[in-house]
Amino acid sequence: LAKTTQPISMDSYEGQEVNITCSHNNIATNDYITWYQQFPSQGPRFIIQGYKTKVTNEVASLFIPADRKSSTLSLPRVSLSDTAVYYCLVGVSGGSYIPTFGRGTSLIVHP
Amino acid sequence: GAVVSQHPSWVICKSGTSVKIECRSLDFQATTMFWYRQFPKQSLMLMATSNEGSKATYEQGVEKDKFLINHASLTLSTLTVTSAHPEDSSFYICSARDELAVNEQFFGPGTRLTVL
Repeated sequence: LAKTTQPISMDSYEGQEVNITCSHNNIATNDYITWYQQFPSQGPRFIIQGYKTKVTNEVASLFIPADRKSSTLSLPRVSLSDTAVYYCLVGVSGGSYIPTFGRGTSLIVHP
Repeated sequence: GAVVSQHPSWVICKSGTSVKIECRSLDFQATTMFWYRQFPKQSLMLMATSNEGSKATYEQGVEKDKFLINHASLTLSTLTVTSAHPEDSSFYICSARDELAVNEQFFGPGTRLTVL
């Protein structure tokens, strides 16, 4: 399983763009990169998933460089409600993939 | 998107009793479900992989006789905490994989267990 490393915590202010980078140096060829958001006392919520280059949806963008050894989750114009823990997971869903969580990044958005 | 439910959302029990937590995939079939435990301010820790129609696979350090997992159908997996003790108090989360959407994993809302 590819191990992931993220900053433990980040602080931001409302309206700013937040970029959270995840390192996954031993990512395998077939691995996808998935980011989840978790609020206290709730289950993780899917944010975005990608394999290479850039992926964008209505809530975030995911940037993946050519070597795929890292990825960056970009949250545009954060609000207080984006205060949460963000996890990046690496693997291939289906087959023998077991979603394993690292420590995650605790994002605090200030007024 | 697909929905995974858990029941109950919270439970308080006395030490020594057993508690069953249900995990259901509401609009898809899940051959495989996962059970996690999360302590305050910590990450999710995988406890076991639940496979429909077969025995669960437990992670190292997780007592299979204490945390009984049954995955009797493609939409239901249950976790029973037997002879619960205060140290079993935690947030239990299940997830399920939609077999038709290969790269998607869906998580339940979690169950807060408090053992007195």
